[in-house]
Amino acid sequence: QLMLTQSPSASASLGASVKLTCTLSSGHSTYAIAWHQQQPQKGPRFLMKLNIDGSHNKGDGIPDRFSGSSSGAERYLTISSLQSEDEADYYCQTWGTGIWVFGGGTKLTVL
Amino acid sequence: EVQLVESGGGLVKPGGSLRLSCAASGFTFSTYTMSWVRQAPGKGLEWVSSISSRSSDMYYADSMKVRFIISRDNAKNSLYLQMNSLRAEDTAVYYCARGSLHGDVWGQGTTVTVSS
Repeated sequence: QLMLTQSPSASASLGASVKLTCTLSSGHSTYAIAWHQQQPQKGPRFLMKLNIDGSHNKGDGIPDRFSGSSSGAERYLTISSLQSEDEADYYCQTWGTGIWVFGGGTKLTVL
Repeated sequence: EVQLVESGGGLVKPGGSLRLSCAASGFTFSTYTMSWVRQAPGKGLEWVSSISSRSSDMYYADSMKVRFIISRDNAKNSLYLQMNSLRAEDTAVYYCARGSLHGDVWGQGTTVTVSS
């Protein structure tokens, strides 16, 4: 079954970097994913599509501080030079034929 | 500006029905697959349903397959979700999103509360 696993929470200091992880279920390690950001009380915002080779296509207006990478079944979102507005929930998402699957989300706290 | 604006949410009793709408602007709506995603209070995102650009294909999450109906009117740049036999567990913010593989544009959501 196609599933995505994320750690429930992460934290990092203002100005530092953080790397969030999304793990694809067994047998699905070649799947591309998307990363979305959801700030408090807002709708989700598309950050990027991330491929198995680590190449990624970002959404409009997404700063260079956001980048993606891949290793095996793991997909990463790295945020550098953390700002207070980066405090948000981050969801990974993948897709099959006629279906979307979301990870449980990671709540990022900026200290 | 590319925009999606949901409407139609509200308070409904268990067993009742509600029709959500999503108005699209700033892009050629008729060429995009569209989807609904929901988020229960304090929970994560859950995909609900998707519809292809010309309505030839509709897909639903298993738990909503019989009760929900997705549709669209390309002439009106609008997406709809007819929700029937509503249950308390359908209480959520409902978002519409553009895209076939993933949502690249999202609305701000409309809140549905199912309660007696």
